[in-house]
Amino acid sequence: AQSVTQPDIHITVSEGASLELRCNYSYGATPYLFWYVQSPGQGLQLLLKYFSGDTLVQGIKGFEAEFKRSQSSFNLRKPSVHWSDAAEYFCAVEGESSYKLIFGSGTRLLVRP
Amino acid sequence: DADVTQTPRNRITKTGKRIMLECSQTKGHDRMYWYRQDPGLGLRLIYYSFDVKDINKGEISDGYSVSRQAQAKFSLSLESAIPNQTALYFCATSGRQGGSYGYTFGSGTRLTVV
Repeated sequence: AQSVTQPDIHITVSEGASLELRCNYSYGATPYLFWYVQSPGQGLQLLLKYFSGDTLVQGIKGFEAEFKRSQSSFNLRKPSVHWSDAAEYFCAVEGESSYKLIFGSGTRLLVRP
Repeated sequence: DADVTQTPRNRITKTGKRIMLECSQTKGHDRMYWYRQDPGLGLRLIYYSFDVKDINKGEISDGYSVSRQAQAKFSLSLESAIPNQTALYFCATSGRQGGSYGYTFGSGTRLTVV
């Protein structure tokens, strides 16, 4: 069965510091991979997605993610965090031809001034 | 208007009451989903539907039922609400959009069962 693991429940970084949020998935074939962000009291916003091709994907708000098949990972990165990036981040996977999205448990990002 | 509209936005109900959460979409997508979000658990799939006559249970369907009244409408019902069904509920659709493929989520319904 498909599964997604986000090993970090909380991460705290200083404003201006770099960020990496980890995501590992379990799926036999090539997955479709997504990162969503949820600001407090808000819905879900898509940051980026990977279907195929270039394994480094650029998203909105300066985020990028890299698909590493050998590590079953799709980590999210940002070179310089802004206070407005404080939110909860969800990694999600859709298995090829499964047509349903499975989410990780989320990572809450706190940004120190 | 939003592509995926959920009603109500917030609801407080009593234990044992029947409640329906509604979802409508203007995306023209065939696939629709209901998810539940709990702190520390992420979003978990309750039910999903690939067309009007195709409805499937997700990982946490117990205590819930759904109805796909039309391609654009997918309702979630709690036949007898219990406090541990207090959560944030999201409806979503999936399909082709602007040459790409992806999911569109509603703004969520916050349900409190007292």
